Amino acid sequence: ILNVEQSPQSLHVQEGDSTNFTCSFPSSNFYALHWYRWETAKSPEALFVMTLNGDEKKKGRISATLNTKEGYSYLYIKGSQPEDSATYLCASTGNQFYFGTGTSLTVIP
Amino acid sequence: NAGVMQNPRHLVRRRGQEARLRCSPMKGHSHVYWYRQLPEEGLKFMVYLQKENIIDESGMPKERFSAEFPKEGPSILRIQQVVRGDSAAYFCASSPGQGMYTEAFFGQGTRLTVV
Repeated sequence: ILNVEQSPQSLHVQEGDSTNFTCSFPSSNFYALHWYRWETAKSPEALFVMTLNGDEKKKGRISATLNTKEGYSYLYIKGSQPEDSATYLCASTGNQFYFGTGTSLTVIP
Repeated sequence: NAGVMQNPRHLVRRRGQEARLRCSPMKGHSHVYWYRQLPEEGLKFMVYLQKENIIDESGMPKERFSAEFPKEGPSILRIQQVVRGDSAAYFCASSPGQGMYTEAFFGQGTRLTVV
């Protein structure tokens, strides 16, 4: 079982602020790191899949970086909007997906 | 292409009854994962199945819980003799290949309430 940790557990930011949060995972036997966005009453939706050290992915105002040697990934949101409010999950994959407990983001208008 | 379908969305069972949760993966997906979300907790892995095979059940409680993914039909998560502690949201996800590099697609979950 892989121990994946996310911080902070929750976050409140003002609309327009930029923010970031962290996913830590064991660097040994690493295959891929996934980020998911999970809105209340919906199912988790995939944001990014990253495999290579130094990978950086971007989708609109959201981007993510990956450091496989030290075992962490950052998710950045630029100019947060209320619709960004959600729980952001990361998962490291071995045989299957090992999820962190998520960072709950609330963007205050 | 329909997404991952889970049913029922909500299930109420009395203590001691059986709960059956169904998951139909996306078309073309042969890998299914089941997760449980307890209140105030994240997604906890339960079991990973391919068609007719259990690949990893390290997250499944040893008793009362079982899962299958037959050649035809949906994957079933079965909980026998349910207890109040089984109340949770159960999510399944599917992927076209082994999950390492491919994203998984989630269903909307089944919320089980044991009364």
